[in-house]
Amino acid sequence: GAGVSQSPRYKVAKRGQDVALRCDPISGHVSLFWYQQALGQGPEFLTYFQNEAQLDKSGLPSDRFFAERPEGSVSTLKIQRTQQEDSAVYLCASSLDQNTEAFFGQGTRLTVV
Amino acid sequence: KQEVTQIPAALSVPEGENLVLNCSFTDSAIYNLQWFRQDPGKGLTSLLLIQSSQREQTSGRLNASLDKSSGRSTLYIAASQPGDSATYLCAVRPGYGQNFVFGPGTRLSVLP
Repeated sequence: GAGVSQSPRYKVAKRGQDVALRCDPISGHVSLFWYQQALGQGPEFLTYFQNEAQLDKSGLPSDRFFAERPEGSVSTLKIQRTQQEDSAVYLCASSLDQNTEAFFGQGTRLTVV
Repeated sequence: KQEVTQIPAALSVPEGENLVLNCSFTDSAIYNLQWFRQDPGKGLTSLLLIQSSQREQTSGRLNASLDKSSGRSTLYIAASQPGDSATYLCAVRPGYGQNFVFGPGTRLSVLP
């Protein structure tokens, strides 16, 4: 595609609900990243994929967070039993490889009520 | 652990002014550095990527410089326009194969 696409753009979840956020990277990009951005702050790294392999998940805040990229293209970030502190913008980025220019999607704004 | 700061946190200037945004990082051993722009409620738009071996990169009215030894990068915007109003984020890649560490951003307002 022309750019990184994320869906949904906005998600309101009740506390305790499970959510799934989708990322479609730029075609041919090997590397895919997920970041979490709290209001007024810079993005914080969550996890990184190289093709279908999740090489780094050190940024995931708890075991309620899970990410997958089963076929090396589309990725899904799943949050189980959402809490209010999970409210943030979740950004996905892709790049040709891990060290080249990164391109970001529009983000998914998650609000947990 | 690499830490990135950006000064000022917010900046308001009249249209037409040249301006400089600052980014500082604590560990000078970096692989590359990327500047991004973020409009309210939107994702990040890549502006410039500087490799550790480079001193500067230019794109249109934007010029980014890198001084690794002092742990600094600056983004220079010439002849600012209201359309430049956004938050500007600096991101440092600490090493080969490592992920970006972001600064908190500078919120720029260019007044017509």
